[in-house]
Amino acid sequence: QITLKESGPTLVKPTQTLTLTCTLSGISLSTSGVGVGWIRQAPGKALEWLAVINWDDDKRYSPFLKSRLTITKDTSKNQVALTMTNMDPVDTATYFCARCIAAPGRKELDYWGQGILVTVSS
Amino acid sequence: QSVLTQPPSVSAAPGQKVTISCSGSSSNIGKNHVSWYQQLPGTAPKLLIYENNKRPSGIPDRFSGSKSGTSATLGITGLQTGDEADYYCGTWDSSLSAGLFGGGTKLTVL
Repeated sequence: QITLKESGPTLVKPTQTLTLTCTLSGISLSTSGVGVGWIRQAPGKALEWLAVINWDDDKRYSPFLKSRLTITKDTSKNQVALTMTNMDPVDTATYFCARCIAAPGRKELDYWGQGILVTVSS
Repeated sequence: QSVLTQPPSVSAAPGQKVTISCSGSSSNIGKNHVSWYQQLPGTAPKLLIYENNKRPSGIPDRFSGSKSGTSATLGITGLQTGDEADYYCGTWDSSLSAGLFGGGTKLTVL
């Protein structure tokens, strides 16, 4: 059974750095053709793709947030972390991690975590 | 404003059919496969369609997908009240080297 679970702070102050962790079960981060992505959704808004890290450590970021994002993986712990700097109230959202099929022309997200609501407020 | 354009809402009666469009460009839909996601209220998105027209195990054949050029379409037949949800298209953009989602379409089953 494949599961993903997000963890991290649910409340951060403006200008602080947010670090979220995605813990995977039933999936190996070293499996060829597999990656883990982060997606967020502000309240009442659409999904927004943030970043992905593939089995070979290839990393891709949203061009709109690239300067603020860092994605890393710890294969030994089967975890993927996302760091976002200089948090602002507009970053208040539910953050999801999901398994990504990282094949040419294919990037679907086939398993999702339940999401974690992060509120940015002083 | 999303790079992929979807209608904000669609509606139809139970038992009827509905289609949801997703319009992109040559660098995204024109070059890469499209996937579709269903998000029921208060839950995480769920993969409905991948590689334009394939259904994951467990997804009923009432759901279908197609792609032509720089546009894609999700079709749902035999509408049920349980299909009321937000639907998102997604793909990769080869120029941006990043993933994309559409703005989402809210389906109401009247």
